[in-house]
Amino acid sequence: DTGVSQDPRHKITKRGQNVTFRCDPISEHNRLYWYRQTLGQGPEFLTYFQNEAQLEKSRLLSDRFSAERPKGSFSTLEIQRTEQGDSAMYLCASSLLLDRANEQYFGPGTRLTVT
Amino acid sequence: KQEVTQIPAALSVPEGENLVLNCSFTDSAIYNLQWFRQDPGKGLTSLLLIQSSQREQTSGRLNASLDKSSGRSTLYIAASQPGDSATYLCAEENSGYALNFGKGTSLLVTP
Repeated sequence: DTGVSQDPRHKITKRGQNVTFRCDPISEHNRLYWYRQTLGQGPEFLTYFQNEAQLEKSRLLSDRFSAERPKGSFSTLEIQRTEQGDSAMYLCASSLLLDRANEQYFGPGTRLTVT
Repeated sequence: KQEVTQIPAALSVPEGENLVLNCSFTDSAIYNLQWFRQDPGKGLTSLLLIQSSQREQTSGRLNASLDKSSGRSTLYIAASQPGDSATYLCAEENSGYALNFGKGTSLLVTP
């Protein structure tokens, strides 16, 4: 399968714990994005990378969130000191920017439940 | 901030019907508009992408149109099937990177 993969698919954690999610993009894609989706809503942009550089972060990305993309390959999203409001589906997407077309391909998501 | 609205929020149709899903956005200065399908508890599957210079795109039974001047896009599904049941999301890109999503239209196609 050459699509976007995410791990784990589900994570249950207690409030205050740290969690880390991983995303493996489509191999030739140079851009990688993180979004968050809560029930009944569309996904909301969190941050994105072009190669290994993190170029933009949303105001939704508080100081407790950090994302990395070492060597421009896979990416990790870490949430420190989790809160119940962090419960959501975390989606990763990747794209290969060609001209102005920027079709984003999404992974299956990681569902986080904070108890 | 760009607002993306999808109407209707939910739709139920019998199998075989043709249907139209609507998406409107407030800022006409978009780069791309992308339609997605999402099954319950799953990620998003890209259906069609329309660049700002294009008016429509087609894939199989799906046809998406874009009218930047009116801030509207429509997704037309021909000869609907029960397997088309899912939530359909439209998203516009006006920043060069982030997608702004609507809340989606939940479609149920009954046999």
